[in-house]
Parts: sequence; C-alpha cells; structure tokens
Amino acid sequence: AQRVTQPEKLLSVFKGAPVELKCNYSYSGSPELFWYVQYSRQRLQLLLRHISRESIKGFTADLNKGETSFHLKKPFAQEEDSAMYYCALSSSNTGKLIFGQGTTLQVKP
Amino acid sequence: DADVTQTPRNRITKTGKRIMLECSQTKGHDRMYWYRQDPGLGLRLIYYSFDVKDINKGEISDGYSVSRQAQAKFSLSLESAIPNQTALYFCATSDRWGSYTDTQYFGPGTRLTVL
Repeated sequence: AQRVTQPEKLLSVFKGAPVELKCNYSYSGSPELFWYVQYSRQRLQLLLRHISRESIKGFTADLNKGETSFHLKKPFAQEEDSAMYYCALSSSNTGKLIFGQGTTLQVKP
Repeated sequence: DADVTQTPRNRITKTGKRIMLECSQTKGHDRMYWYRQDPGLGLRLIYYSFDVKDINKGEISDGYSVSRQAQAKFSLSLESAIPNQTALYFCATSDRWGSYTDTQYFGPGTRLTVL
C-alpha cells in the first residue's frame, strides 16, 4: 500500500539550529516526492519536489530509495520557517497526492 | 493564491443536513481535487476530477458526492452530514506536466462543523 509517514507531530528548535523533518514512504515503483508547507494564515503551497533537486528557502531534501526516505533539511532554522510541513507522494502519472500526517515546525527565538 | 476560491469559508450545520461546498478556479487547470484535513491525519483525498467528464473516488469518498459543473467549478456535497465529517476541507487544482506530477494549488479551505 502507498503510504507516507511523518513520525513527528511537532518539532521545536531554536533559531540558528539545524532542522530535519523526517518523511518515510511506502511505494512499489518510482515515486515522486514533494514537500508542501502551510504558513500561518496562508494556503498550503509547494515547497520543493525531488525531481527538481533545488534548494528553496534554504531547505533541501534528498530522495533515498534504499531507506525509502525524503527528509527535509535546513542547516540554520529561521523564525519565519515556523509552519506546518507535509510530505507527499505521487503515484506516477496520476497526479494524485498521498500526504503524510504533517509536522509542525516551531522555531523559537 | 486568489486563483482558487472556496465558498463558504466557515459553516456550522446540524446532523442530517445536506451541505454543498463550492470551489472555483481561474487558473485554467483541468484537474481538481477535494481533500479533508484532520489533526494528526494530514490531508486525505475525497474525490478528484481530471476533466469535466472524468470524476474519481479518492481514499475516503463514503458520505460525499461531487459535481464538476465546468472546467472551473468543482463542488463537494455531504448528502446527510454527520459529526465525524467535521473538518477543514481543501480544494486544489493542477495542470498536466508531461509525465510528471504537476504542482497542486490549494484554496483557502472551508471549516465545516457538524453538530
């Protein structure tokens, strides 16, 4: 079965500390993985996707097929990074997304 | 992104009532989706539509129905609302992007409370 697991409901760090939001997936085939973010009073929006291999707002994520993971990382957290983060998986060519449970990132001053 | 709008934004209703949530988009996208968001469960897909004549059930379609009135409009109905349908409902749209999955653009959400 296709599944996305985000083990942490809440991750709280201090400003300037490294951040890693964990995401593990279960999928038979070649998955597409995404991170979506929802800032306070804003809409859910795409942060990054694995096929683009880009860094957005200092965040990166590497698809590790051996460990079936797509962890989101940032070396130095900023207060404006505080938000809800969702990892999502798409089955190839269908456009459907399967979301994880979400992790709230709280960056303290 | 004001290109995807949802009405109403908040609704309180009673058990057994029929409720319709509406979604409109001006992005010109063919694909539209309805999700519900529950604390600790993330977003779950209710229904999706790849064009006006193509409507499909998602993982939690029981108790819901949809109508794709036009490319720009996709409505979600609760035929007989029950309290465990209390949730935040999101509409989203996306375009085709070759063989890859395109970005989904989300509406602001509708907070539904069923008493």
